[in-house]
Amino acid sequence: SAVISQKPSRDICQRGTSLTIQCQVDSQVTMMFWYRQQPGQSLTLIATANQGSEATYESGFVIDKFPISRPNLTFSTLTVSNMSPEDSSIYLCSVTRGDYGYTFGSGTRLTVV
Amino acid sequence: QKEVEQDPGPLSVPEGAIVSLNCTYSNSAFQYFMWYRQYSRKGPELLMYTYSSGNKEDGRFTAQVDKSSKYISLFIRDSQPSDSATYLCAMSAGGDDKIIFGKGTRLHILP
Repeated sequence: SAVISQKPSRDICQRGTSLTIQCQVDSQVTMMFWYRQQPGQSLTLIATANQGSEATYESGFVIDKFPISRPNLTFSTLTVSNMSPEDSSIYLCSVTRGDYGYTFGSGTRLTVV
Repeated sequence: QKEVEQDPGPLSVPEGAIVSLNCTYSNSAFQYFMWYRQYSRKGPELLMYTYSSGNKEDGRFTAQVDKSSKYISLFIRDSQPSDSATYLCAMSAGGDDKIIFGKGTRLHILP
């Protein structure tokens, strides 16, 4: 299955600022997914990033807050904009496997102060 | 009622014991059932997946699906301290349907 590199692994940010998270896959994939994992909560899908088209956002997530880029079949970025402490979470990118299910990156642990 | 319910634990068992992890769900359209393992500071990794009802075994791990009861289980035999992690169940109706995750159960295997 694919190997995913995600950067940064963690960051502490000031409220009101933005952070861009990068996700690099070692093979070409059609769809990439961005998830949020809040403490004590399940993984929540933020959006699906397709190359060559706008990302598809899930209910409760909007492009102005979480803009996503997908410039090619191996790379995507997620920006968390105008951050508040409520955005403190782990953000994960993932891709589908050859059989079923997803392969996940190691995640970005974001703390907003 | 949430779509997927999973006891968050923590669950502590002695080394060598059989561990039983469970999830219930409400959506009868779910056909694909998965278990992920997540170590601290790592992303989830797919442990097992099954399609529809039945059992699937892989080494020390057995996944069971009972669609009539909307209940899935993961059994770990001869548990090891290295099995200490958070285990997340996940399920999907398939196709383009998104995968829904449980909250995860924190498991501690005591040496």
